[in-house]
Formats: sequence, C-alpha cells, structure tokens
Amino acid sequence: AQKITQTQPGMFVQEKEAVTLDCTYDTSDPSYGLFWYKQPSSGEMIFLIYQGSYDQQNATEGRYSLNFQKARKSANLVISASQLGDSAMYFCAMRANSGYSTLTFGKGTMLLVSP
Amino acid sequence: DAGVIQSPRHEVTEMGQEVTLRCKPISGHDYLFWYRQTMMRGLELLIYFNNNVPIDDSGMPEDRFSAKMPNASFSTLKIQPSEPRDSAVYFCASSLSPGGNSPLHFGNGTRLTVT
Repeated sequence: AQKITQTQPGMFVQEKEAVTLDCTYDTSDPSYGLFWYKQPSSGEMIFLIYQGSYDQQNATEGRYSLNFQKARKSANLVISASQLGDSAMYFCAMRANSGYSTLTFGKGTMLLVSP
Repeated sequence: DAGVIQSPRHEVTEMGQEVTLRCKPISGHDYLFWYRQTMMRGLELLIYFNNNVPIDDSGMPEDRFSAKMPNASFSTLKIQPSEPRDSAVYFCASSLSPGGNSPLHFGNGTRLTVT
C-alpha cells in the first residue's frame, strides 16, 4: 500500500520569496514516481512536476523544483520567487511502477502568497 | 489539443434522483480515472479503465454508483439514487500509460450538490 503525508495544512509566504511544501511517502515498491499538482480556487487540477525514484537529479520545471531525498522518503516541492498566482492548494501524489498501480494523493497544503 | 472534458460543471439535484456525469478523455489516452474530492476524505479514486475495460472499481462506494466506458472517447459515472452524502467534486482524468512519468490529466470537475 502507498501512503502520502503532507503535514502542513497551510503555508504563508510573501511575494518573491521561496517556499517549501513538505511531502513524505511510504511504499514498498522499489520503482515509483512522485507528482505534484496545483489546485487553484477555480478547482482544476494542474500537473506541475514529476520525479522518478531512480532519477539521479532533482526535477525542475521553471520556478518549481523537487527536493527528493530517497532515504528519507521525502519529495518536497520548492517554489522560488513566489507570485500571487501561486496561491492555491498543492497536492503531492505517488504511483508505483508495477502492474496496474494508480495515483495516491496526499491531503494537500494550502499556500497563500501575500503582497 | 483539447484537455479532458467533463460535463456538467455543476449539478444540483434532489435526494433520490439519478445523476449522470460525463467525461471525454484526451484522444489517445488509454487510461481513464474517476476521482471524488471532499473536504473530509480528500481525493479518492473511484474506478479506472484501460482500453475501455474497468480494471479496478474497489473505490466505488456503493452499488448506487456505476461507471461505463462504451468507447475510447466517452465515459459516464452514474449515481442512482443520489444521497446528500454524495455531494462532492467528481473529477475525470486520463493518462497515456499506467506508470513512469506519464501524469494524469484532469478535467475541470463536476461539482455535485444533492439536497
């Protein structure tokens, strides 16, 4: 079974500063993928970034980067130079690369960016 | 390319009525997922299909829920009879493959309110 834990219900950050959203996971599968999604107040789910368990480098996508620490089973999302439009709910998710595995989501972290 | 298309965006119905939610996945995506999102339970996988065949429906809460995928471009989620506790946002998502770096692409969701 897979489990995703996001311990921060809410986070505040000032515009232009960096923020880290925490995510820890638990799985017995040796090969898996980690995903982050953004859900703004309008409700849609937007894919942000992916990290494979065997990837040697941390994933980056524009202002998003993933601080992947495999031994600690953590996959924290780092948003640099926060913008007001980054205010949203952020979900961490994982999926094993075995058979018909599906995406399991954490409870999410609400990020508020202030001017 | 058009993304995942869901209809309706909002549905308000009375307890006991039948509700049908619709989804058109991204063309070429062989996997289709139905998720439900509530404040209490977060994002839960209800059922998913591969090549129009249901693979895992263990997340379907009760026999009142049913899902079909008659062809590669259309799926429905039906609730009959509906109950107030079914009120939630229902998401449809599709993906190219079940593993690796293939993310789920979500529709905008259907917000269901059962009174």
